[in-house]
Amino acid sequence: AQSVAQPEDQVNVAEGNPLTVKCTYSVSGNPYLFWYVQYPNRGLQFLLKYITGDNLVKGSYGFEAEFNKSQTSFHLKKPSALVSDSALYFCAVRDIKGTGFQKLVFGTGTRLLVSP
Amino acid sequence: DVKVTQSSRYLVKRTGEKVFLECVQDMDHENMFWYRQDPGLGLRLIYFSYDVKMKEKGDIPEGYSVSREKKERFSLILESASTNQTSMYLCASALGGQASTDTQYFGPGTRLTVL
Repeated sequence: AQSVAQPEDQVNVAEGNPLTVKCTYSVSGNPYLFWYVQYPNRGLQFLLKYITGDNLVKGSYGFEAEFNKSQTSFHLKKPSALVSDSALYFCAVRDIKGTGFQKLVFGTGTRLLVSP
Repeated sequence: DVKVTQSSRYLVKRTGEKVFLECVQDMDHENMFWYRQDPGLGLRLIYFSYDVKMKEKGDIPEGYSVSREKKERFSLILESASTNQTSMYLCASALGGQASTDTQYFGPGTRLTVL
């Protein structure tokens, strides 16, 4: 089965510094990878996805993610963090059930805290 | 913009009660999903539906059932609520297709407490 791992429960970064939230994946076949963000008391919002093509994917709110096949990673990055980026971030991978239908498998989430 | 709404933000129920959580999407999406979110466990898929009256079990369907009588509405039912079903419940929808790579759009969530 497809899976993703987010090795850090929490990441702390100062405002203005670059940030990285890590995600590694385990899949058979080509991976379809996603990043979502959850602000306090809100549902998840889509940030970006990798299906195929360029290894650097650009998404919403200035975020980008780098797909690295050799390291089976899909880390989320931003050049300059904002306090408003503080939230819970989820990595996800598409999994195809035996019936042929797709679902997303989510990581456990990483809390990002950006200090002023 | 896609809008996914859930009937309640907060819900408190007693053990043994039958609980209905409602989800409505306004973008004519074929696929709809129910997840529960627990700290340290991330999101886990309970059920999903790829068409009216069609459903598939997710990873943790035990103790839950679903209903999809109209394309825009997907209901999660707890037949007899238990304390271990206290959780945040998230509904999502996606455009569709059997092996689609389409983005899922989430509702704001329902925080259910079972006493």
